[in-house]
Amino acid sequence: GAGVSQSPSNKVTEKGKDVELRCDPISGHTALYWYRQRLGQGLEFLIYFQGNSAPDKSGLPSDRFSAERTGESVSTLTIQRTQQEDSAVYLCASSQIPNSPLHFGNGTRLTVT
Amino acid sequence: GQQLNQSPQSMFIQEGEDVSMNCTSSSIFNTWLWYKQDPGEGPVLLIALYKAGELTSNGRLTAQFGITRKDSFLNISASIPSDVGIYFCAGRGTYKYIFGTGTRLKVLA
Repeated sequence: GAGVSQSPSNKVTEKGKDVELRCDPISGHTALYWYRQRLGQGLEFLIYFQGNSAPDKSGLPSDRFSAERTGESVSTLTIQRTQQEDSAVYLCASSQIPNSPLHFGNGTRLTVT
Repeated sequence: GQQLNQSPQSMFIQEGEDVSMNCTSSSIFNTWLWYKQDPGEGPVLLIALYKAGELTSNGRLTAQFGITRKDSFLNISASIPSDVGIYFCAGRGTYKYIFGTGTRLKVLA
């Protein structure tokens, strides 16, 4: 079956513009995470969706970042008024149930010029 | 950001050597996962651990769930050049997964 799909794979944008990143999780997976990975760094938690519960937004670095998820399907991460420090790879992961391992997409590489 | 302490940060080893890395947390976890990430790709699951004290192998890889539930270890035996990459631990308490800072492994042939 299909894995986690993220689009676009690469995005170059000018400082101050808004960007929207998309994640299609594995069908039937109830949990969905977004992580940020700066060059040469680890995975920084951003936001967690679990079923119909209120998302855990505790990792979002500022109010320029927001994310939505439609039911148990696609999720979008939006960054408004992008800054150069937003340049990173944004990874999405999903799992079938909360305690099961995460399956990752290949990420969106965002470059803010 | 929310990340776990992972060590060593990086290591260069000779082909054939064994490798050890570990992850520690200030919180108790119920699940530990170990992942490997190759350049330009997302992390891929290596081993999953669900019980304190559990020792699980996957080929040349062996991982352990620490008895205190606050740490985990990954060992790679007889390393080969394709083991190069970044290894991440991930822990989950009662709610969400948090990842370690990563160990960058380079294997010299």
